[in-house]
Amino acid sequence: NAGVMQNPRHLVRRRGQEARLRCSPMKGHSHVYWYRQLPEEGLKFMVYLQKENIIDESGMPKERFSAEFPKEGPSILRIQQVVRGDSAAYFCASSRAGQTSSYEQYFGPGTRLTVT
Amino acid sequence: AQSVTQPDIHITVSEGASLELRCNYSYGATPYLFWYVQSPGQGLQLLLKYFSGDTLVQGIKGFEAEFKRSQSSFNLRKPSVHWSDAAEYFCAVEIKAAGNKLTFGGGTRVLVKP
Repeated sequence: NAGVMQNPRHLVRRRGQEARLRCSPMKGHSHVYWYRQLPEEGLKFMVYLQKENIIDESGMPKERFSAEFPKEGPSILRIQQVVRGDSAAYFCASSRAGQTSSYEQYFGPGTRLTVT
Repeated sequence: AQSVTQPDIHITVSEGASLELRCNYSYGATPYLFWYVQSPGQGLQLLLKYFSGDTLVQGIKGFEAEFKRSQSSFNLRKPSVHWSDAAEYFCAVEIKAAGNKLTFGGGTRVLVKP
């Protein structure tokens, strides 16, 4: 049973470019979460999605960041016009959770974004 | 403010010695509790979880954790550490009323001496 898959594992972008990070959840999981790990900071929640729906985006920066989880295909975290402060490890997690119950989240290996 | 605290940033332990990592949370209700481990450059692996029931939970790799409601704590333990346990450990909580998101502690980096 394949785990959560993320690609690319490493991404280098110049300031002002766009970054697209992909996440394929574990088989049987319909809920996806994105977290960011900044240097010297902890892991912070960004957004929680299920298919074609954003459930909670309370951790997303107000500008330049967006996320989607289409009916077909992986979840995408998109960062427009990247700045050096966006350099971080971005982790995707998935779960079987419904909104009225809880299941553990399984994490992918992360995408390490470097903005030059 | 709601928070998760891991008081120890670094812990150094000798191989074969016991290990205890502390985690305290500050929430009004009992949250769901998790411990994850992260090896350098890797993702997070779930060690164990507490949802309800028996307050002593067993996890993978020989780890266990005990939930103490009176102390708002969920400390992680291992009786005998192996060199491969060197990693960073994160405590996390989930509050159902706040949605399914995890709130993480700052992490504890464990170094294992031969």
